[in-house]
Amino acid sequence: AQSVSQHNHHVILSEAASLELGCNYSYGGTVNLFWYVQYPGQHLQLLLKYFSGDPLVKGIKGFEAEFIKSKFSFNLRKPSVQWSDTAEYFCALASGTYKYIFGTGTRLKVLA
Amino acid sequence: NAGVTQTPKFRILKIGQSMTLQCAQDMNHNYMYWYRQDPGMGLKLIYYSVGAGITDKGEVPNGYNVSRSTTEDFPLRLELAAPSQTSVYFCASSLDRAEAFFGQGTRLTVV
Repeated sequence: AQSVSQHNHHVILSEAASLELGCNYSYGGTVNLFWYVQYPGQHLQLLLKYFSGDPLVKGIKGFEAEFIKSKFSFNLRKPSVQWSDTAEYFCALASGTYKYIFGTGTRLKVLA
Repeated sequence: NAGVTQTPKFRILKIGQSMTLQCAQDMNHNYMYWYRQDPGMGLKLIYYSVGAGITDKGEVPNGYNVSRSTTEDFPLRLELAAPSQTSVYFCASSLDRAEAFFGQGTRLTVV
């Protein structure tokens, strides 16, 4: 069965700290991978995506993610977080059946 | 370019009432989805559609129905509302397996 696991449910960081959010997926075929961000009271917006090619992908607002096929992982990183990065972050995959499967989300709080 | 438009934004229903959540997209996307979001649970797929006239169940379809008579519209029907259907509902659309675009959401409370 297809699934996405996000192991960090809540993360609290100070401004300027580095961020890494874990994402592991379970799927035997070719997947498209995504990270979405949801600011308080808003809808999901795309941060970055991986379809193929360079496993290190860069997204908006200084975020990047690395696809490691052997580990079935797609971790999100940012070298220096800002207070405005406070939000909930979702990892997702799109499988061959064209359904998007989401992880349970990680709530990030950045302290000013 | 409106993207994905959902109405209403908020609604309170009494137990046993019914309602339709509207979703429309203007990007000519073939795929459309309905998710519900509950705290700490992520997004659960209710129903999806791969094109006009074709719909299929997701992970949590019980208590809901959908139709897709046009490419643009994908309404979600709740029959006999129950407190367990209190949630935030998001409609999304995509072109094949590319990025999914989300609507602003409908916050539904069943009392």
